[in-house]
Amino acid sequence: GAGVSQSPSNKVTEKGKDVELRCDPISGHTALYWYRQSLGQGLEFLIYFQGNSAPDKSGLPSDRFSAERTGGSVSTLTIQRTQQEDSAVYLCASSFLQGTSPLHFGNGTRLTVT
Amino acid sequence: GENVEQHPSTLSVQEGDSAVIKCTYSDSASNYFPWYKQELGKRPQLIIDIRSNVGEKKDQRIAVTLNKTAKHFSLHITETQPEDSAVYFCAASWDNAGNMLTFGGGTRLMVKP
Repeated sequence: GAGVSQSPSNKVTEKGKDVELRCDPISGHTALYWYRQSLGQGLEFLIYFQGNSAPDKSGLPSDRFSAERTGGSVSTLTIQRTQQEDSAVYLCASSFLQGTSPLHFGNGTRLTVT
Repeated sequence: GENVEQHPSTLSVQEGDSAVIKCTYSDSASNYFPWYKQELGKRPQLIIDIRSNVGEKKDQRIAVTLNKTAKHFSLHITETQPEDSAVYFCAASWDNAGNMLTFGGGTRLMVKP
């Protein structure tokens, strides 16, 4: 079946512009995560959605970052007034039901801020 | 919340040798421990996981051991091959609706032919 889908796969934007990154999780997966991965680095947790509960936003690096998950499915990560240090690969992952189910990652969106 | 430490951050082995990556966790309630492999330029993918009701699990050349008393778990790769070269991430979670997975910092494994 279809895996986690992210779009766009690549995004180049000018400093100061806003960007939106999209994630389509696997159908039926109630948990959705966003991570950021800089070149050669680990997985930096950004935000976690679980069902209808309030999201865990503790990883968002600044108030320029926000995320929504509409209808418990598709999620959008928005970065306002992008900075060069926002350049990274943004990975989305989903899992079934709760934290003890395997995570399935998307291929990521490579964001480059010039 | 949960905190997962992973060591070493880089590991270089000769082809055919074994590789061991270790992780410790802080929350004694954690009972699910997956390992992910991320090849260069690709997404992380689950390679093996273990739950706290067992102490060891094997899948061909890969095995994971768990010591709940000491709160650590390890990934063992035997007879390493160049295609095992990747970044490996451990993670921990516990069985509660809404609880999220916490990742270690990753280990870059390089297998020299």
